[in-house]
Amino acid sequence: SYELTQPSSVSVSPGQTARITCSGDVLAKKYARWFQQKPGQAPVLVIYKDSERPSGIPERFSGSSSGTTVTLTISGAQVEDEADYYCYSAGDNNRVFGGGTKLTVL
Amino acid sequence: EVQLVESGGGLIQPGGSLRLSCAASGLTVSSNYMSWVRQAPGKGLEWVSIIYGSSNTYYADSVKGRFTISRDNSKNTLYLQMNSLRAEDTAVYYCARGGSGVNDALSDFDYWGQGTLVTVSS
Repeated sequence: SYELTQPSSVSVSPGQTARITCSGDVLAKKYARWFQQKPGQAPVLVIYKDSERPSGIPERFSGSSSGTTVTLTISGAQVEDEADYYCYSAGDNNRVFGGGTKLTVL
Repeated sequence: EVQLVESGGGLIQPGGSLRLSCAASGLTVSSNYMSWVRQAPGKGLEWVSIIYGSSNTYYADSVKGRFTISRDNSKNTLYLQMNSLRAEDTAVYYCARGGSGVNDALSDFDYWGQGTLVTVSS
């Protein structure tokens, strides 16, 4: 079955660049997407198809892919970006989320 | 405006059954991939089930044989019938548009409900 591995936590100061990685063999063949989730709220899609950004998502959010690793980059992280971030990918009969990364901005 | 509104959660004893509903507006359930995703307290997201097309369905191994996803096209509503519930099924259950196997479209997991809490405990 698919597995996606993320670091459990990442910390940056406001204005710095935050990078969150997600690794898994499936990512060499399948697209990834990223979700932001704040406490008590439903997840919000921030990146799809590895690097595409939905409308309404700030330009400081970007995604990239290399081999079996995808990366979510938040350039100039803001305090309001503090949240849990999940990667996700899917195959024919599998849909899997990464374990999540808690981003702290302070 | 798209809205997905879940209901049906609550406290249930182990071994019991519960049916969750997800009423949709602004999108047609039968024309979209529709998934259930759950989140145990303090834990990460876990995909549970999907329905699409002429009622094609898939399930996570953790719920296969116990949960059944379905939809009522006339009511534009998605359901999750949960049987033989276990303590480890305790979670907030979200319905969401999306879950295609290709995973390249904006419409995959772009809309989510607010979630409904299921607590399995004696």
